[in-house]
Amino acid sequence: NAGVTQTPKFQVRKTGQSMTLQCAQDMNHNSMYWYRQDPGMGLRLIYYSASEGTTDKGEVPNGYNVSRLNKREFSLRLESAAPSQTSVYFCASRSLAGGPLTNNEQFFGPGTRLTVL
Amino acid sequence: GQQLNQSPQSMFIQEGEDVSMNCTSSSIFNTWLWYKQDPGEGPVLLIALYKAGELTSNGRLTAQFGITRKDSFLNISASIPSDVGIYFCAGQKGANAGKSTFGDGTTLTVKP
Repeated sequence: NAGVTQTPKFQVRKTGQSMTLQCAQDMNHNSMYWYRQDPGMGLRLIYYSASEGTTDKGEVPNGYNVSRLNKREFSLRLESAAPSQTSVYFCASRSLAGGPLTNNEQFFGPGTRLTVL
Repeated sequence: GQQLNQSPQSMFIQEGEDVSMNCTSSSIFNTWLWYKQDPGEGPVLLIALYKAGELTSNGRLTAQFGITRKDSFLNISASIPSDVGIYFCAGQKGANAGKSTFGDGTTLTVKP
């Protein structure tokens, strides 16, 4: 299994350009997440999808949209990139098996490093 | 929004030394998680804690879920060079919430 894969690994965009970050997981997980990580900071949740067909806003959703294309794929779109969106973006997935001792482990992809000029 | 205060921000230690780091919050969490991130990679889960007072080990790593549910601690014993990286705490509310709030990380440097 490849786990969680993200494309591209690096990207440079000019202010105002659009950009789509792709994420796929082959672990048959129900939930998927998009985070951004800025220097010296932890990960902040942008959007998440608890199950196929549903998406919800996280902590910092402004300027982003998401699509849960199917159970495997969850994409993040920047319609009009801004320099403040320069960051490293991580996708994650989680099984969500249920029960009082649910395995809360999120498996993370390797990240996409986006620079907006 | 919710905020986790993680300390120290960075640590420089000698190989073989023990390490302690902690995470505190003004609000209660039902699950505490500790991750490690190597350069250029995503975080990897080290330990998950589900009950107040719980003490869990994973090799040389030991983590505790604070009694107040507002804090957690991670200890690394007999550090080795491959322990270098950024350690993040994360808290979750609710049994199946799935959404994690992350601390800002502790950067660990181990000198051989």
